[in-house]
Amino acid sequence: TAGITQAPTSQILAAGRSMTLRCTQDMRHNAMYWYRQDLGLGLRLIHYSNTAGTTGKGEVPDGYSVSRANTDDFPLTLASAVPSQTSVYFCASSDSSGSPLHFGNGTRLTVT
Amino acid sequence: AQSVTQPDIHITVSEGASLELRCNYSYGATPYLFWYVQSPGQGLQLLLKYFSGDTLVQGIKGFEAEFKRSQSSFNLRKPSVHWSDAAEYFCAVGSGNTPLVFGKGTRLSVIA
Repeated sequence: TAGITQAPTSQILAAGRSMTLRCTQDMRHNAMYWYRQDLGLGLRLIHYSNTAGTTGKGEVPDGYSVSRANTDDFPLTLASAVPSQTSVYFCASSDSSGSPLHFGNGTRLTVT
Repeated sequence: AQSVTQPDIHITVSEGASLELRCNYSYGATPYLFWYVQSPGQGLQLLLKYFSGDTLVQGIKGFEAEFKRSQSSFNLRKPSVHWSDAAEYFCAVGSGNTPLVFGKGTRLSVIA
């Protein structure tokens, strides 16, 4: 089934450790996004990429980095995790910025 | 900067009753507007979207929404709620040049 694959599904991570959340889409969408979802705060944009080779900062980019080496993959890296990064992370893609988003099923990350 | 307000954090309705979820937005240009639904443990699914034209848009699962420019609103409605509609609902705004901004969500509970 076409769509977005996120891995891992969940992870417990010690503070100070690094981690990369993986996201792959097979719809050949140009734009990809990372959001975090926290209770009472809705979804907040971390980073985005309008096309392969370009990235941009969202509302809450600090502590996160991304790369977009090709159309299909958009990994999110936490260089040194902190407890406030405990959240559910959603990757999404769309034909273009502003178009309807297709979401993955999320990665639940707990930083201890 | 664009923003979305969903005034109701939690709404409870009886099965078979009508539903209206409120959404107000702030955006400088003509917005693209969306409603998404999230079931527990899942990603977000697009219910409907408004880009231009007819201000009353129909979506999946019997939902509809009306764009009212004068009120900066895009409220979601359903004439008769089913127990399976219990979920979290998110309104979002964007354009052709910017990623979507989401509201904080409204949790819908359905009682017998």
